[in-house]
Amino acid sequence: DGGITQSPKYLFRKEGQNVTLSCEQNLNHDAMYWYRQDPGQGLRLIYYSQIVNDFQKGDIAEGYSVSREKKESFPLTVTSAQKNPTAFYLCASTPQRNSNQPQHFGDGTRLSIL
Amino acid sequence: QKEVEQDPGPLSVPEGAIVSLNCTYSNSAFQYFMWYRQYSRKGPELLMYTYSSGNKEDGRFTAQVDKSSKYISLFIRDSQPSDSATYLCAMSETGANNLFFGTGTRLTVIP
Repeated sequence: DGGITQSPKYLFRKEGQNVTLSCEQNLNHDAMYWYRQDPGQGLRLIYYSQIVNDFQKGDIAEGYSVSREKKESFPLTVTSAQKNPTAFYLCASTPQRNSNQPQHFGDGTRLSIL
Repeated sequence: QKEVEQDPGPLSVPEGAIVSLNCTYSNSAFQYFMWYRQYSRKGPELLMYTYSSGNKEDGRFTAQVDKSSKYISLFIRDSQPSDSATYLCAMSETGANNLFFGTGTRLTVIP
């Protein structure tokens, strides 16, 4: 069954700690995305990657970092510099870069502060 | 002004009602329009995907795009309790993967 797997489902961060959210896809998609979802604000783009070993900042990249070493994996690190990390984080992918094909989403990771 | 505006609701309707969900936008370069359904604590799932102006029907769902008015709609006929979810509109320009999302409308269908 092809899809996007995000883990863990729930994550708690202590003050000053970096945490990493996992996103794995077996759809053979080139492009992958990370969004943050807050109540009343919709989805905001954090980072995106159109191809392996390349990624671009989105609208709210400050306090976050990513890597794209493999096509199927696009992990997101929430660093201690992100002062308000509590949110629902969504990973998405599309088959090809700049193809206007719709994005497919994982089931998200909910991050909270301890 | 946000690029995409969507009434957040909440919207409550009785089972069997026709539901109308709407978004307006300001960027005339948007050509691709999507509606996603998101259940609580889940990721959005694609419901409808349309290009430019016109209507598209899929079962109980109809998507309408009016580019002259910069207005898109999703109609749900014979609404069911299982339709209770948040509905997100999204759109993009030609040759771009990046999507612009509305804030979502929360819908409850009451049995």
